[in-house]
Amino acid sequence: EDQVTQSPEALRLQEGESSSLNCSYTVSGLRGLFWYRQDPGKGPEFLFTLYSAGEEKEKERLKATLTKKESFLHITAPKPEDSATYLCAVQDAGRRALTFGSGTRLQVQP
Amino acid sequence: DAGVIQSPRHEVTEMGQEVTLRCKPISGHNSLFWYRQTMMRGLELLIYFNNNVPIDDSGMPEDRFSAKMPNASFSTLKIQPSEPRDSAVYFCASRRTGYTGELFFGEGSRLTVL
Repeated sequence: EDQVTQSPEALRLQEGESSSLNCSYTVSGLRGLFWYRQDPGKGPEFLFTLYSAGEEKEKERLKATLTKKESFLHITAPKPEDSATYLCAVQDAGRRALTFGSGTRLQVQP
Repeated sequence: DAGVIQSPRHEVTEMGQEVTLRCKPISGHNSLFWYRQTMMRGLELLIYFNNNVPIDDSGMPEDRFSAKMPNASFSTLKIQPSEPRDSAVYFCASRRTGYTGELFFGEGSRLTVL
């Protein structure tokens, strides 16, 4: 059974204070690893897809990286508008649907 | 593009009543997913359709839950009879062919069963 574990559950940063969120996963065959952002009262919004170990993707202050067992979402010099829940998901090679982790709630204080 | 449209946004009902949640996917997307989100269990897949055909319904909790997709632009998730433990936010998401993990989610239907 696919498993996705995210840590920490919650993270509070000061504006400009860089940090990383972790996503560890267990799948029989990884087809892809995905990061989503979810704002309160909204549905998740797609950020990145990573397909193989060593791959990196960047978008503004966010950079996602992937190894064979985990992924990191690095947040550089965050701003208050980066406050959200960040969800990690995996797709097993044998399935078309995604398995989501429980998320990291990020709060960036001005 | 209007995005994925879900209705109702909020539903409060009493135990034992029938609940129907509706979803209109993005035009041209051929996969549709129903997820449920709770604090305790996070986002859980209930069922997904590909070209209007149910492919994986292993996440449907029990026979009280049913889902249909009569055409490419409409899907329903029905709970009958509803129970308090069904209280959650139900999300519908759609996806284009070939765009593996890029799901487009609706804003969700928040269900409260008293």
